[in-house]
Amino acid sequence: GENVEQHPSTLSVQEGDSAVIKCTYSDSASNYFPWYKQELGKGPQLIIDIRSNVGEKKDQRIAVTLNKTAKHFSLHITETQPEDSAVYFCAAGRRSGAGSYQLTFGKGTKLSVIP
Amino acid sequence: SAVISQKPSRDICQRGTSLTIQCQVDSQVTMMFWYRQQPGQSLTLIATANQGSEATYESGFVIDKFPISRPNLTFSTLTVSNMSPEDSSIYLCSATGTGANLRTDTQYFGPGTRLTVL
Repeated sequence: GENVEQHPSTLSVQEGDSAVIKCTYSDSASNYFPWYKQELGKGPQLIIDIRSNVGEKKDQRIAVTLNKTAKHFSLHITETQPEDSAVYFCAAGRRSGAGSYQLTFGKGTKLSVIP
Repeated sequence: SAVISQKPSRDICQRGTSLTIQCQVDSQVTMMFWYRQQPGQSLTLIATANQGSEATYESGFVIDKFPISRPNLTFSTLTVSNMSPEDSSIYLCSATGTGANLRTDTQYFGPGTRLTVL
Protein backbone atom coordinates (compact mmCIF):
# COMPACT_ATOMS: atom_id res chain seq x y z
CA GLY A 1 0.00 0.00 0.00
CA GLU A 2 0.87 3.68 -0.06
CA ASN A 3 3.36 5.07 2.45
CA VAL A 4 3.66 8.82 3.07
CA GLU A 5 6.62 10.25 4.96
CA GLN A 6 6.40 13.82 6.29
CA HIS A 7 9.19 16.04 7.65
CA PRO A 8 9.84 17.78 9.93
CA SER A 9 7.58 16.62 12.76
CA THR A 10 7.90 20.02 14.46
CA LEU A 11 8.83 23.39 13.03
CA SER A 12 9.24 26.76 14.75
CA VAL A 13 9.61 29.96 12.74
CA GLN A 14 9.60 33.64 13.52
CA GLU A 15 6.58 35.60 12.41
CA GLY A 16 7.12 36.83 8.87
CA ASP A 17 9.53 34.05 7.93
CA SER A 18 8.73 31.20 5.55
CA ALA A 19 7.91 27.62 6.50
CA VAL A 20 8.47 24.55 4.34
CA ILE A 21 7.07 21.07 4.98
CA LYS A 22 8.11 18.13 2.83
CA CYS A 23 6.44 14.82 2.03
CA THR A 24 7.39 11.78 0.01
CA TYR A 25 5.13 9.00 -1.22
CA SER A 26 5.76 5.50 -2.47
CA ASP A 27 2.89 4.55 -4.80
CA SER A 28 3.38 5.85 -8.34
CA ALA A 29 -0.37 5.43 -8.89
CA SER A 30 -1.10 8.26 -6.43
CA ASN A 31 -2.08 11.34 -8.36
CA TYR A 32 -3.75 13.69 -5.88
CA PHE A 33 -1.99 15.48 -3.04
CA PRO A 34 -3.99 17.58 -0.56
CA TRP A 35 -2.71 19.46 2.46
CA TYR A 36 -4.78 19.85 5.61
CA LYS A 37 -4.45 22.21 8.56
CA GLN A 38 -5.71 20.99 11.94
CA GLU A 39 -6.12 23.45 14.78
CA LEU A 40 -6.41 22.26 18.35
CA GLY A 41 -9.74 20.61 19.03
CA LYS A 42 -10.90 20.82 15.41
CA GLY A 43 -11.07 18.57 12.39
CA PRO A 44 -8.59 18.84 9.51
CA GLN A 45 -9.34 21.62 7.05
CA LEU A 46 -8.28 21.42 3.40
CA ILE A 47 -5.99 24.36 2.60
CA ILE A 48 -4.59 23.50 -0.83
CA ASP A 49 -4.26 20.53 -3.14
CA ILE A 50 -2.45 19.59 -6.33
CA ARG A 51 -2.83 16.95 -8.98
CA SER A 52 -0.07 15.03 -10.69
CA ASN A 53 -0.45 16.88 -13.98
CA VAL A 54 0.59 20.14 -12.30
CA GLY A 55 4.00 21.01 -10.87
CA GLU A 56 3.09 23.98 -8.72
CA LYS A 57 0.01 25.70 -7.33
CA LYS A 58 -0.26 28.90 -5.34
CA ASP A 59 -3.02 30.44 -3.25
CA GLN A 60 -2.01 33.76 -1.64
CA ARG A 61 0.66 32.91 0.98
CA ILE A 62 0.44 29.17 0.45
CA ALA A 63 2.05 27.19 -2.37
CA VAL A 64 2.53 23.52 -3.08
CA THR A 65 5.11 21.96 -5.41
CA LEU A 66 5.14 18.44 -6.77
CA ASN A 67 7.99 16.42 -8.24
CA LYS A 68 6.29 13.36 -9.61
CA THR A 69 9.52 11.74 -10.77
CA ALA A 70 11.06 11.94 -7.32
CA LYS A 71 7.71 11.26 -5.62
CA HIS A 72 7.88 14.21 -3.32
CA PHE A 73 5.77 17.29 -2.70
CA SER A 74 6.13 20.30 -0.44
CA LEU A 75 4.05 22.97 1.26
CA HIS A 76 5.42 26.49 1.38
CA ILE A 77 3.94 29.16 3.64
CA THR A 78 5.34 32.67 3.22
CA GLU A 79 5.04 35.65 5.57
CA THR A 80 3.92 33.39 8.39
CA GLN A 81 1.50 34.72 10.98
CA PRO A 82 0.67 33.45 14.50
CA GLU A 83 -2.67 32.11 13.22
CA ASP A 84 -0.72 29.77 10.92
CA SER A 85 0.26 27.81 14.06
CA ALA A 86 -1.35 24.37 13.76
CA VAL A 87 -0.63 20.79 12.75
CA TYR A 88 -0.31 20.31 8.99
CA PHE A 89 -0.92 16.97 7.29
CA CYS A 90 0.02 15.99 3.78
CA ALA A 91 -1.78 13.15 2.03
CA ALA A 92 -1.46 11.12 -1.14
CA GLY A 93 -4.55 9.93 -2.94
CA ARG A 94 -5.57 7.59 -5.68
CA ARG A 95 -8.96 7.49 -7.25
CA SER A 96 -11.57 5.18 -5.75
CA GLY A 97 -15.30 4.81 -6.38
CA ALA A 98 -17.66 7.62 -7.31
CA GLY A 99 -14.81 9.90 -8.37
CA SER A 100 -13.37 10.31 -4.89
CA TYR A 101 -9.83 9.69 -3.73
CA GLN A 102 -8.70 7.31 -1.01
CA LEU A 103 -6.16 9.20 1.06
CA THR A 104 -3.06 8.10 2.96
CA PHE A 105 -1.85 10.71 5.43
CA GLY A 106 1.58 11.71 6.66
CA LYS A 107 2.26 11.87 10.39
CA GLY A 108 1.85 15.63 10.58
CA THR A 109 4.01 18.68 11.25
CA LYS A 110 3.36 20.90 14.24
CA LEU A 111 4.10 24.44 13.10
CA SER A 112 4.65 27.15 15.70
CA VAL A 113 4.90 30.76 14.56
CA ILE A 114 6.61 32.88 17.19
CA PRO A 115 5.39 36.50 17.36
CA SER B 1 -19.93 25.63 1.93
CA ALA B 2 -21.59 22.62 3.54
CA VAL B 3 -21.21 21.84 7.22
CA ILE B 4 -20.25 18.47 8.67
CA SER B 5 -21.18 17.95 12.31
CA GLN B 6 -20.51 15.12 14.74
CA LYS B 7 -22.17 14.06 17.97
CA PRO B 8 -21.02 13.76 20.65
CA SER B 9 -18.05 16.09 20.51
CA ARG B 10 -16.44 14.18 23.35
CA ASP B 11 -17.25 11.39 25.78
CA ILE B 12 -15.72 9.44 28.62
CA CYS B 13 -16.77 5.79 28.67
CA GLN B 14 -16.23 2.74 30.78
CA ARG B 15 -14.37 -0.32 29.55
CA GLY B 16 -16.66 -2.89 27.92
CA THR B 17 -19.36 -0.44 26.87
CA SER B 18 -20.20 0.81 23.36
CA LEU B 19 -20.54 4.31 21.95
CA THR B 20 -22.27 5.39 18.76
CA ILE B 21 -20.96 8.49 16.99
CA GLN B 22 -23.15 10.36 14.56
CA CYS B 23 -22.03 12.30 11.49
CA GLN B 24 -24.43 14.66 9.76
CA VAL B 25 -23.83 16.66 6.59
CA ASP B 26 -26.15 19.51 5.71
CA SER B 27 -26.21 18.56 2.02
CA GLN B 28 -26.10 15.34 0.06
CA VAL B 29 -22.72 13.74 -0.36
CA THR B 30 -21.45 10.78 -2.34
CA MET B 31 -18.82 9.16 -0.16
CA MET B 32 -18.48 9.14 3.64
CA PHE B 33 -15.47 7.88 5.55
CA TRP B 34 -14.52 7.20 9.17
CA TYR B 35 -11.02 7.79 10.51
CA ARG B 36 -9.25 7.27 13.81
CA GLN B 37 -6.65 9.74 15.06
CA GLN B 38 -4.79 8.59 18.16
CA PRO B 39 -3.34 11.32 20.38
CA GLY B 40 -0.64 13.24 18.54
CA GLN B 41 -0.81 10.87 15.60
CA SER B 42 -1.94 10.86 12.00
CA LEU B 43 -5.28 9.85 10.54
CA THR B 44 -5.96 6.19 9.87
CA LEU B 45 -8.89 5.17 7.69
CA ILE B 46 -11.25 2.77 9.44
CA ALA B 47 -13.81 2.25 6.69
CA THR B 48 -15.82 3.73 3.85
CA ALA B 49 -19.49 4.06 4.73
CA ASN B 50 -21.54 2.92 1.74
CA GLN B 51 -25.09 4.12 1.38
CA GLY B 52 -27.48 1.19 1.31
CA SER B 53 -24.84 -1.51 1.69
CA GLU B 54 -22.23 -2.78 4.11
CA ALA B 55 -19.23 -0.60 4.87
CA THR B 56 -15.84 -1.36 3.36
CA TYR B 57 -13.27 -1.88 6.12
CA GLU B 58 -9.54 -1.31 5.96
CA SER B 59 -7.01 -3.88 7.10
CA GLY B 60 -6.99 -4.16 10.87
CA PHE B 61 -10.58 -2.99 11.37
CA VAL B 62 -13.58 -5.31 11.55
CA ILE B 63 -17.32 -4.86 11.48
CA ASP B 64 -17.89 -6.49 14.86
CA LYS B 65 -15.71 -3.88 16.55
CA PHE B 66 -16.71 -0.87 14.42
CA PRO B 67 -20.20 -1.35 12.99
CA ILE B 68 -21.14 1.45 10.60
CA SER B 69 -24.45 2.55 9.21
CA ARG B 70 -25.29 4.92 6.39
CA PRO B 71 -29.03 5.03 5.92
CA ASN B 72 -29.09 7.98 3.53
CA LEU B 73 -26.92 10.46 1.63
CA THR B 74 -26.36 12.86 4.53
CA PHE B 75 -25.93 10.72 7.65
CA SER B 76 -23.69 7.98 9.02
CA THR B 77 -22.93 6.39 12.38
CA LEU B 78 -19.87 4.63 13.74
CA THR B 79 -20.15 2.44 16.82
CA VAL B 80 -17.10 1.61 18.87
CA SER B 81 -18.01 -1.70 20.54
CA ASN B 82 -16.76 -3.38 23.70
CA MET B 83 -14.37 -0.52 24.32
CA SER B 84 -10.96 -0.76 25.94
CA PRO B 85 -8.52 2.05 26.85
CA GLU B 86 -6.71 1.40 23.55
CA ASP B 87 -9.79 2.76 21.76
CA SER B 88 -9.20 6.20 23.26
CA SER B 89 -8.83 8.39 20.17
CA ILE B 90 -10.38 11.11 18.11
CA TYR B 91 -12.85 9.68 15.61
CA LEU B 92 -13.40 11.75 12.48
CA CYS B 93 -15.89 11.47 9.69
CA SER B 94 -15.28 12.92 6.27
CA ALA B 95 -17.32 13.31 3.13
CA THR B 96 -16.96 13.85 -0.58
CA GLY B 97 -19.49 16.10 -2.21
CA THR B 98 -21.73 16.04 -5.24
CA GLY B 99 -20.31 19.25 -6.63
CA ALA B 100 -23.06 21.50 -5.30
CA ASN B 101 -21.63 22.64 -1.94
CA LEU B 102 -18.68 20.28 -1.64
CA ARG B 103 -16.26 19.22 -4.32
CA THR B 104 -16.50 15.72 -5.70
CA ASP B 105 -12.80 15.03 -5.70
CA THR B 106 -11.60 15.65 -2.16
CA GLN B 107 -12.55 14.93 1.44
CA TYR B 108 -13.97 17.38 3.97
CA PHE B 109 -13.79 16.56 7.66
CA GLY B 110 -16.08 16.95 10.61
CA PRO B 111 -14.82 18.38 13.92
CA GLY B 112 -14.17 14.97 15.45
CA THR B 113 -15.33 13.06 18.53
CA ARG B 114 -12.80 12.80 21.34
CA LEU B 115 -13.28 9.46 23.11
CA THR B 116 -11.65 8.51 26.39
CA VAL B 117 -12.08 4.97 27.69
CA LEU B 118 -11.38 4.33 31.35
